Amino acid sequence: GQQVMQIPQYQHVQEGEDFTTYCNSSTTLSNIQWYKQRPGGHPVFLIQLVKSGEVKKQKRLTFQFGEAKKNSSLHITATQTTDVGTYFCAGFNFGNEKLTFGTGTRLTIIP
Amino acid sequence: NAGVTQTPKFQVLKTGQSMTLQCAQDMNHNSMYWYRQDPGMGLRLIYYSASEGTTDKGEVPNGYNVSRLNKREFSLRLESAAPSQTSVYFCASEGRMNTEAFFGQGTRLTVV
Repeated sequence: GQQVMQIPQYQHVQEGEDFTTYCNSSTTLSNIQWYKQRPGGHPVFLIQLVKSGEVKKQKRLTFQFGEAKKNSSLHITATQTTDVGTYFCAGFNFGNEKLTFGTGTRLTIIP
Repeated sequence: NAGVTQTPKFQVLKTGQSMTLQCAQDMNHNSMYWYRQDPGMGLRLIYYSASEGTTDKGEVPNGYNVSRLNKREFSLRLESAAPSQTSVYFCASEGRMNTEAFFGQGTRLTVV
């Protein structure tokens, strides 16, 4: 079945450093979404990428969808303590109409 | 607008007991999902339903059953709870055109 892996599993950074998480799917995706889960909370939608090679920005966050639509990345510039949480990618496949979540990257910030 | 509502928020069960986790959404979404999240881990799909009346197994369906009786509600049943089912359970829904998924607040289940 479809698998979506993320690396790294954990990332500890000093406040102000950059952070990147990578997402790889075993199958070609129709689109990819990114979610953030704060400690003790539930996942909350951040963004969706649909087109091959698409790049979107939200303030300090940059999201990219690979040309083959099988991988994606999230980059945070100059991390802040409010960025703490687990970041999940989620790939959608129109073939089975299923949203499959990645394994997540937990980001902790050292003040 | 409530979004996705899960009940209960917390539950403690004894091994062998049964219970049903309830989930309802008021966004007229077709697809609904049940995930479990173990401490420090990602989201593992238990079951999903692409439309009313249909259900499909996810990654970890053993020990669970689901029911999608109408478009709004998608319930998850544990027939005979086991300690390995101690987890946080999330229900989610999304629209047909694959807009964002909305999650419930989660059910923290402990099986002793």
